[in-house]
Amino acid sequence: QVTLKESGPVLVKPTETLTLTCDVSGFSLTSDRMGVSWIRQPPGKALEWLAHILPGDEDSYSTSLKSRLTVSKDTSKSLVVLTLTNMDPLDTATYYCARLNGGAPIDAFDVWGQGTMVTVSS
Amino acid sequence: QSVLTQPASVSGAPGQRVTISCTGTKSNIGAGFDVHWYQQLPGTAPKLLIYINTNRPSGVPDRFSASKSGTSASLAITGLQAEDEADYYCQSYDSSLNVVFGGGTKVTVL
Repeated sequence: QVTLKESGPVLVKPTETLTLTCDVSGFSLTSDRMGVSWIRQPPGKALEWLAHILPGDEDSYSTSLKSRLTVSKDTSKSLVVLTLTNMDPLDTATYYCARLNGGAPIDAFDVWGQGTMVTVSS
Repeated sequence: QSVLTQPASVSGAPGQRVTISCTGTKSNIGAGFDVHWYQQLPGTAPKLLIYINTNRPSGVPDRFSASKSGTSASLAITGLQAEDEADYYCQSYDSSLNVVFGGGTKVTVL
């Protein structure tokens, strides 16, 4: 069974750096046909793609947030890590990780984690 | 402001057919990039509903169908059921190498 589970702080202060972890199981991060993406959803609003980490460690970022985002993976621990610097209240959202089935950026997100809600407030 | 445009809401009585449009541009859907659709039930994570324009993953009822033409795509739900009440999102890709989503459509079963 394929699962992804996000973890990280519930509350962060403005200007701090957010670090989120996505634990994956049921598939390998070394596969050349699987990637992992991060997507967020502010309360009551639409989905917003943040970043991919693709086979071969290729990464890709939302143009609007590229300067603040880093995505990496630890294949030995089956983890994908997202960092978002200089947090702002507008970054308050539920953050999801999702599997990119096919390994290419145009593929679909076929399995999603449950999401983790992050609030930015002083 | 989402890159792909969807109606904010659609509604229908049980058993009826509803459609959700997803309008893009020559830079995304019109450039030939595939469209995927997701269903988000209240309080839950999105779930893949349709992939590569018209394909249903295993377990998705055939009441759900989708199409793509030009710079737009659409999702149809036939035989609407109470359990279909959810938010629906289209997703594609653009020539700026970004994944793009629609703003989401809330389906209400009357």
